[in-house]
Formats: sequence, structure tokens, C-alpha cells
Amino acid sequence: GQNIDQPTEMTATEGAIVQINCTYQTSGFNGLFWYQQHAGEAPTFLSYNVLDGLEEKGRFSSFLSRSKGYSYLLLKELQMKDSASYLCAVTNSNYQLIWGAGTKLIIKP
Amino acid sequence: IAGITQAPTSQILAAGRRMTLRCTQDMRHNAMYWYRQDLGLGLRLIHYSNTAGTTGKGEVPDGYSVSRANTDDFPLTLASAVPSQTSVYFCASSPGTGDPGELFFGEGSRLTVL
Repeated sequence: GQNIDQPTEMTATEGAIVQINCTYQTSGFNGLFWYQQHAGEAPTFLSYNVLDGLEEKGRFSSFLSRSKGYSYLLLKELQMKDSASYLCAVTNSNYQLIWGAGTKLIIKP
Repeated sequence: IAGITQAPTSQILAAGRRMTLRCTQDMRHNAMYWYRQDLGLGLRLIHYSNTAGTTGKGEVPDGYSVSRANTDDFPLTLASAVPSQTSVYFCASSPGTGDPGELFFGEGSRLTVL
């Protein structure tokens, strides 16, 4: 089967750095997405990786290793507003989007 | 700029009733999707449409139907609601066809079936 694994919940401190991991097993690979979802709101796009390596966008970075079926989202200089769920999703060879259950990130002062 | 609009935002429904969730986009995107989101599970695709006039089944299509008469509208119908259809429903769109690319989501419709 196809599956995406990510931790259910993480806690971090305001101002710190946190890394949210995502491992995937899919039938083929055509890209990996990270979305942010605040409680009670819609998911919003954060990043897209299709080649190995690190993509940096402000305080957020996303890394991909296709050979390991692994990605991480790195959040720096954490702010209270970063408290949200972070969803990992992979496009497989049929261009179907497979979603992880999401990681709830709790930021403490 | 509205993006994607869903209605209603919340609804309580008796089992056995028919219900249509509305979704309208003003971005002229080709592809549209309906997902349900349940606690502890990833987003699950119910139905999709790659272009106006065509629809396809997703991962969990049973009990749901859709239509795509034009580019902008993609309503989701529950013919006879059951309690297991209690969920938050998200409509989404993307510019491309085939490769979904970045998805743009509506604000969601929270449905409770009693």
C-alpha cells in the first residue's frame, strides 16, 4: 500500500528551531508538498520539493531525499502563530496526491 | 478576490436526508477536488474533476456524487446521509490537469449527521 508517516504531535519553544519529519512509501514519486493548517481553517501551501536537496523560503525550509523516501520541514525562529498542523503530501506516479495525517505543532512561550 | 467559496460552513443533518455542499471558484482553475478530513486521518479524496464536463472517483466515493457542469462550480451531494459521513469537507482547486500541483482550498464545510 501507499502511506505517509509523520509524528502526530510535537512541542517546541518560541524562538527555537523545530524539524518535522515525513517518510513516504508510494507507487512512484512526482513531488512532495508541505501544507500548513491552523485549527478550524483550510490547509495552505508552504513548499514543494521534486529534486533532492533543501528549499529555503524565509523561516521555513524543506528537504527531500528521494532515495530514502524522506523529507523534513524546518521551522526557524518559531513564533506563536506557527502553532498549527503541518501536512505532508506526495504525488505518486499516477499523479494522485497521498496525504499524511499531519503533525500538530504546539509552540510554548 | 474570493478564491474558493464553500457553503454551508456548518450543517447538522438528520440521517437519511439529502444534502448538497456547494463549491465555487473564481480562479478559472481546471481541476477541482472534494476531500474529507477526519481526526487522525489524512485528507481523503472523495471525487475529483480534471476539467469541466468530467468527473472521477477518489479514494472514498461511496455515498457521494458530484457534477461539473461548468468551470466554476463543483457541488458534492450526499444522497442519503449516514452518521459515518460526519466530517469536515474541503473543496480544492488547482490550475493544471493531471498533475495536481499546488492546491487551493476552500474554508471547509463541517457536517454532522445524527
